[in-house]
Amino acid sequence: DADVTQTPRNRITKTGKRIMLECSQTKGHDRMYWYRQDPGLGLRLIYYSFDVKDINKGEISDGYSVSRQAQAKFSLSLESAIPNQTALYFCATGTSGSFADTQYFGPGTRLTVL
Amino acid sequence: SQKIEQNSEALNIQEGKTATLTCNYTNYSPAYLQWYRQDPGRGPVFLLLIRENEKEKRKERLKVTFDTTLKQSLFHITASQPADSATYLCALEWSGGYNKLIFGAGTRLAVHP
Repeated sequence: DADVTQTPRNRITKTGKRIMLECSQTKGHDRMYWYRQDPGLGLRLIYYSFDVKDINKGEISDGYSVSRQAQAKFSLSLESAIPNQTALYFCATGTSGSFADTQYFGPGTRLTVL
Repeated sequence: SQKIEQNSEALNIQEGKTATLTCNYTNYSPAYLQWYRQDPGRGPVFLLLIRENEKEKRKERLKVTFDTTLKQSLFHITASQPADSATYLCALEWSGGYNKLIFGAGTRLAVHP
């Protein structure tokens, strides 16, 4: 089984709808991240969490919210989806520590907002 | 503002040749630089990490260099194979931004038989 899973893998929705993307991990990592990827722009950080009680905004948090339900689960919500939120969304995990560490990515969720 | 630049044009090379990808950055004091591989429809996969006080790091057919004076990292794949075809992303972690990475947009590599 994959270490980092994301559901759904694909989602088409309409403007104004509330959407939740879910991420689960079995790696036992403390740190979890949500990114979006757009063509030509690379990965941009939306939110990150260093443990269950620690949630932080990333570069592009407007229009998004998150919930860290447990060490293994980190959900991303779009309260009222808009077309420019159409993108590929990735969840990632990382180990704790004061030095650089690698991040482990899920397979991604392709979201289309009509 | 912080910026990472990777060549947006695809790199096309013949099998067996060395592929060299470039990552340039501005306005950083990076502590670490990482390279990831991304295949279509999949999440990035970590390849190599190099620290600011390291000049070069190797792993099998992969080599990364890090020149903090030029603000540049080079990523080399020697004896390239068609299976190396993918998009390669560089990512920087700046001093004080522990475990938060800034990613470049990536360069697509196509290795032809």
